[in-house]
This record gives sequence, C-alpha cells and structure tokens, in this order.
Amino acid sequence: GAGVSQSPSNKVTEKGKDVELRCDPISGHTALYWYRQRLGQGLEFLIYFQGNSAPDKSGLPSDRFSAERTGGSVSTLTIQRTQQEDSAVYLCASSLGAGEGNQPQHFGDGTRLSIL
Amino acid sequence: AQSVSQHNHHVILSEAASLELGCNYSYGGTVNLFWYVQYPGQHLQLLLKYFSGDPLVKGIKGFEAEFIKSKFSFNLRKPSVQWSDTAEYFCAVRGTGRRALTFGSGTRLQVQP
Repeated sequence: GAGVSQSPSNKVTEKGKDVELRCDPISGHTALYWYRQRLGQGLEFLIYFQGNSAPDKSGLPSDRFSAERTGGSVSTLTIQRTQQEDSAVYLCASSLGAGEGNQPQHFGDGTRLSIL
Repeated sequence: AQSVSQHNHHVILSEAASLELGCNYSYGGTVNLFWYVQYPGQHLQLLLKYFSGDPLVKGIKGFEAEFIKSKFSFNLRKPSVQWSDTAEYFCAVRGTGRRALTFGSGTRLQVQP
C-alpha cells in the first residue's frame, strides 16, 4: 500500500512478556519515528531514525524499550518484560527527511498494546 | 524543552457553528507548527502546517490556523463545521533543529447534526 503499515493492529499480552511491534514506512522515506499514545493523552516521542545516522533514542522511557531499523526500511520496536503502564497505542510515522521540518510526517494506524 | 497545551479537551457544536480550537506552545526558538486530525477509526492525518511566511495558514476541508508569535499560539478555526468534522484534533510543534514532534493532548470535537 501507499501508507505507513503497522503490525499487529492489536496485541494483548501478559505482564512480563516481551513484545515486538513492526513498522513498514512509505517507500523512499528516510526518516522514521515511533510515538506512544496513552489513553487520554497526546503522543509521546520515543525514537527517531534518519538514514544511516545513529538513532535519537532520547524519548525511550526505560531500557526495556529498544528499536532497530534494518536496511533503512522496516523498523521493529521491542518492549521487554512488559508492565501494565506500557499499555498504549504505539504509532509509527515516516517522512521524506528531517531537514528543517519541511517534510510532514505520515502516520500508520498504530498498534494497540494491552498488558494484562 | 518544548511543550504544547490544548485547553479544550472536548468540544460539542451544532452543524454550521463556528469553530476555534486553542493551541499554545512553549519553546524559545523558531518553530514549525502543525495541526493533525484523527477521524474515527482512521490514522492521524495532516490538516495544515506553518513553517514561515504568512502567519495565516489555510489547510484542507476549509480549516485555517493563525500563528501569533507574541502569544505563542496557533489556533485552529473553521467558519462553519459539518457533522463530518467530528474527530480528534492534535496540535504539534517542532523546534527547528529538532526532529520529533511534540503533541498536545488533543481536542475531541463532536458535531451534532
């Protein structure tokens, strides 16, 4: 498809389990972002990838969170030893480049993560 | 650090009413400003953006926003809302030199027919 694709759309797991969330950006987009949206709150920035540069991990809330981007395309967000406060919608966005902000971000539908 | 405040959490209007959603940001430098909309069951979509130039920005579906630098505001307006405008609206800011967006907590707009 032409948009950002995320999978799974929904994930329910038990506390303490590890989860992996996947993002397929728009083809040709070099910048990729992960955000988290907790119920009733705005989006929180988690991590940013731009081309082959080192990722900006400044938004990751703890060392249980990690992300990688293979081949400059698909990205996986991993949450280890999940906690109930990790329950949220995890959104991925991509853009043509970070530049000076001239490239808008295109968002996927998100993965709704529920920790029991 | 940059932050965004949307003071209206839930707005209910009748069709044809005028709309203004408030957005104030906190950042010491030059900013890019955005409004995103999320219709029920759909993903976030860009409504309009401001980078530079004319502070009155026109977006899709008849929406506009005005950047008032002295007030650190970027309010969203529409003269006459429709039932199809029912959605959640997010204001976002990005300081130049930064990469990620900082979002407000969103305003849920409900338009009654």
